[in-house]
Amino acid sequence: DGGITQSPKYLFRKEGQNVTLSCEQNLNHDAMYWYRQDPGQGLRLIYYSQIVNDFQKGDIAEGYSVSREKKESFPLTVTSAQKNPTAFYLCASSMGKQFFGPGTRLTVL
Amino acid sequence: GQQLNQSPQSMFIQEGEDVSMNCTSSSIFNTWLWYKQDPGEGPVLLIALYKAGELTSNGRLTAQFGITRKDSFLNISASIPSDVGIYFCAGQLMDAGGTSYGKLTFGQGTILTVHP
Repeated sequence: DGGITQSPKYLFRKEGQNVTLSCEQNLNHDAMYWYRQDPGQGLRLIYYSQIVNDFQKGDIAEGYSVSREKKESFPLTVTSAQKNPTAFYLCASSMGKQFFGPGTRLTVL
Repeated sequence: GQQLNQSPQSMFIQEGEDVSMNCTSSSIFNTWLWYKQDPGEGPVLLIALYKAGELTSNGRLTAQFGITRKDSFLNISASIPSDVGIYFCAGQLMDAGGTSYGKLTFGQGTILTVHP
């Protein structure tokens, strides 16, 4: 079944801990993206990658890091430097049109 | 980053009514996309528009790419309870060489509530 998977659906972490969110796609898309969504707001771009081993900062990259070692995978690490990490995180991929995964809700206690 | 102005912010309608929402920008976009998001889920692509003036339908949904390339409209006809959700517009820019880099700019969303 083709698509974008994000795991886990819900994630809880203590303040000061780094946490990595998984994103995998089997659509053979070159480009992948990470967005953050806060309640009542639109989506804001954190990082994006057009090709393996290359990625660029989006509008709100501070406190986040990514890697793109494989075409299928684009993990996002939320570091302890991110001031307000609690949010809904969405991964997307595209070859033209952009499609989204189901999201991971991160809560930092 | 730049923002899109999406309106209305929320709508409360009766089942069977038609719905209209729109997005405007101070910048020109080459592509307009409309997504629907159910609570706790990722957005699902509804309609993609690629040319100024283009009018595209998907079932009861119709969207238009504004002539100025700075706006887009989404209409839903004969609404049903499952239309409930948040609708987002998104614009995509291209550079002079025609490369988009896929970056989208999103509106803040329109929350649609449909009363049976």
